[in-house]
Amino acid sequence: GAVVSQHPSWVICKSGTSVKIECRSLDFQATTMFWYRQFPKQSLMLMATSNEGSKATYEQGVEKDKFLINHASLTLSTLTVTSAHPEDSSFYICSAISAGGVPDTQYFGPGTRLTVL
Amino acid sequence: GENVEQHPSTLSVQEGDSAVIKCTYSDSASNYFPWYKQELGKGPQLIIDIRSNVGEKKDQRIAVTLNKTAKHFSLHITETQPEDSAVYFCAASPGTGTASKLTFGTGTRLQVTL
Repeated sequence: GAVVSQHPSWVICKSGTSVKIECRSLDFQATTMFWYRQFPKQSLMLMATSNEGSKATYEQGVEKDKFLINHASLTLSTLTVTSAHPEDSSFYICSAISAGGVPDTQYFGPGTRLTVL
Repeated sequence: GENVEQHPSTLSVQEGDSAVIKCTYSDSASNYFPWYKQELGKGPQLIIDIRSNVGEKKDQRIAVTLNKTAKHFSLHITETQPEDSAVYFCAASPGTGTASKLTFGTGTRLQVTL
């Protein structure tokens, strides 16, 4: 149980294009999802908290117009990197908290590796 | 905000030995402390967690201890096996229900040698 998937697992795009990453909770409903980015050999940095049906809350320093987050249903959140540039290349990971499960426990997806050329 | 420090950054042990990873946190309001294992190219996997009303928790070869007074918690892995090799992250959260955010430590790269 508590499986989170991400799609795609990896993506390569040209500078200036937009990329959408999907995060799905497969066997539970998630009222809250989180988006992280992780650079090589570094820790996870929280980008934003996403609640179903409301606007995402972004961490300080994260550009909300560049990283668009939509949490349209209890099982799906999307992250769109707009006008991507090489410095946006990173490992993006989502997590979800089960609405009816153990409080506070975050289950992570497998991550999406983004490479911007 | 919360600050979590983690030591050591790398740890090499022989198969069968024990491994200990330590974390300290700064915010006394934190009361939920999970540990994650991350293999190369994959997302973090929850291996054990502890809440502030408990001092120790064990699950087979893995145990976590918490000292709220000193604001530190530790991960203990006994009888290590090669498949335990990975990066381990500690984290802390105020645990305020569904809105709780995790602050992660910097990670420990564990290498279990034969």
